[in-house]
Amino acid sequence: ELKVEQNPLFLSMQEGKNYTIYCNYSTTSDRLYWYRQDPGKSLESLFVLLSNGAVKQEGRLMASLDTKARLSTLHITAAVHDLSATYFCAVGRGGGATNKLIFGTGTLLAVQP
Amino acid sequence: NAGVTQTPKFQVLKTGQSMTLQCAQDMNHEYMSWYRQDPGMGLRLIHYSVGAGITDQGEVPNGYNVSRSTTEDFPLRLLSAAPSQTSVYFCASSPLAGQGVYNEQYFGPGTRLTVT
Repeated sequence: ELKVEQNPLFLSMQEGKNYTIYCNYSTTSDRLYWYRQDPGKSLESLFVLLSNGAVKQEGRLMASLDTKARLSTLHITAAVHDLSATYFCAVGRGGGATNKLIFGTGTLLAVQP
Repeated sequence: NAGVTQTPKFQVLKTGQSMTLQCAQDMNHEYMSWYRQDPGMGLRLIHYSVGAGITDQGEVPNGYNVSRSTTEDFPLRLLSAAPSQTSVYFCASSPLAGQGVYNEQYFGPGTRLTVT
């Protein structure tokens, strides 16, 4: 059974600091997604990682994928308050192309001034 | 493009009542799905569809029915509401796996359902 674990579940950090959110998954998958959710809002796609060693960056966020370790990281550089949100990783269920996703429990990020 | 739309935004039901949550998309996506989001549990897949006339169960299907008569619409029916179904419900759509490069799912704004 595919399980997706994120840590930490809650992260309070100061503006200007760096930190990393980790996403571990238990079985082989062909792709990994990162989503952002603002309070009371829907989910917004941030990154899609398709292969081992994939790295994508957008602004202060950088995501990477290590399929051998079954690990993805979301690195935050010089955090700003606008990054405060809940971040989810999601993994395709089963090997091969699939639309079915298993989501992690989310990481609530609070950036303090 | 409106993307993925959901109605209603909020709903309060009494135990035992039934209702239908509406979902529509205008991106011609074959894949559509329903999730529920509960605190500390992420999103869990309820039902999904890979095209008109084809539906299947996800992780937590009990108490819910779906149908897919058109590519655009994918309603979720609660047959007899229970307090355990109090949650936020999200509909999502995407191209079918293998037809696009990224196949990321696009989410609707959500429906907040309370069952008393």
